[in-house]
Amino acid sequence: SQQGEEDPQALSIQEGENATMNCSYKTSINNLQWYRQNSGRGLVHLILIRSNEREKHSGRLRVTLDTSKKSSSLLITASRAADTASYFCATDAVGAQKLVFGQGTRLTINP
Amino acid sequence: GAGVSQTPSNKVTEKGKYVELRCDPISGHTALYWYRQSLGQGPEFLIYFQGTGAADDSGLPNDRFFAVRPEGSVSTLKIQRTERGDSAVYLCASSLNRRGQVYGYTFGSGTRLTVV
Repeated sequence: SQQGEEDPQALSIQEGENATMNCSYKTSINNLQWYRQNSGRGLVHLILIRSNEREKHSGRLRVTLDTSKKSSSLLITASRAADTASYFCATDAVGAQKLVFGQGTRLTINP
Repeated sequence: GAGVSQTPSNKVTEKGKYVELRCDPISGHTALYWYRQSLGQGPEFLIYFQGTGAADDSGLPNDRFFAVRPEGSVSTLKIQRTERGDSAVYLCASSLNRRGQVYGYTFGSGTRLTVV
């Protein structure tokens, strides 16, 4: 079963613009992670935010977490064509010891 | 090796046949995970190993699916009497995760299984 739901399912923007993807989840979590997947194969870990953190940065990535609303957002600033990929949020629920992934957002950056 | 290695990268098999998918995790990663991903969907959890033991196999869809990790390193996912619905990309990931410490997963490139 999928714990997280990403919104939107697909996003298409122009190179240089910012891209924002949202994730909502259902149960209490230890942490939330974001992954990128190119061409339907291996996923790449982008960032991990713990339940007691509200915001985290890594390069052009900014992740926020609101545990009261059970939601997270991933912001990619100054997008590039190479950012075109699917982005997944994954939650590590309390007591679960495994990640549960959402359906993903397909991001397309147009040159 | 430097990353998680999965073999084969592609496997085509006939309905009813037995298949084995192999995962070679990053050296020293005690946690190993198997996921299955269908087109347009997110990865679906199958099974999690901590060392040699299966700590959580709640995602295995039925008793045709089985996985082992006998020496706490390489893992094999075994599927008996394959069905067309088993067609998917099977992903393996490893992590340094242990109780009280959490890290991101490193995924392999997956095995694309096609049952015809």
